Amino acid sequence: DGGITQSPKYLFRKEGQNVTLSCEQNLNHDAMYWYRQDPGQGLRLIYYSQIVNDFQKGDIAEGYSVSREKKESFPLTVTSAQKNPTAFYLCASSIKGFGNSPLHFGNGTRLTVT
Amino acid sequence: QQQVKQSPQSLIVQKGGISIINCAYENTAFDYFPWYQQFPGKGPALLIAIRPDVSEKKEGRFTISFNKSAKQFSLHIMDSQPGDSATYFCAARKKTSYDKVIFGPGTSLSVIP
Repeated sequence: DGGITQSPKYLFRKEGQNVTLSCEQNLNHDAMYWYRQDPGQGLRLIYYSQIVNDFQKGDIAEGYSVSREKKESFPLTVTSAQKNPTAFYLCASSIKGFGNSPLHFGNGTRLTVT
Repeated sequence: QQQVKQSPQSLIVQKGGISIINCAYENTAFDYFPWYQQFPGKGPALLIAIRPDVSEKKEGRFTISFNKSAKQFSLHIMDSQPGDSATYFCAARKKTSYDKVIFGPGTSLSVIP
């Protein structure tokens, strides 16, 4: 089955540590996205990538970094510079440039930083 | 300008009743309005979507009503079932250099027997 795999499902880190969230897709989608979900705030875009080796900042990129070395993979690093990193992180993909193609989401990683 | 407003924040409906979630936007550049459904611990999934040149779209028990002049759109769930209990996000898409999707804050729906 095609889809998006995010791992791990739960992640715990100490404050001051960087942490990397994995996202892999086998949908052959060009575009990939990282969203952050907080209660009552909807989904906010962190980074997006439309093609391998290229990515752009979204609305809340500060304290995060990404890479896109392969079409299938778009890992997100939450750095120690992120002031409030505890959240539910969602990776998504879509067919680039195809009209009203929907976002396909993974099942998320819940990050807790203490 | 970039915001999508959504109400209510939470909703409790009796089984068999009608669930109604309302959304509003300001930016007339939005050209596509999807609704996503999210179950606890899962990622959102596209439920139904509408373009602004259509006033209503129905898929099974789910209907989107769209009022372009008022910049409002709503989701109606007919004959609501306990399995519909989830968080619903309305969204609006603006065509820029990429498909910029703005999400509403979400509505938590509980359908009680």
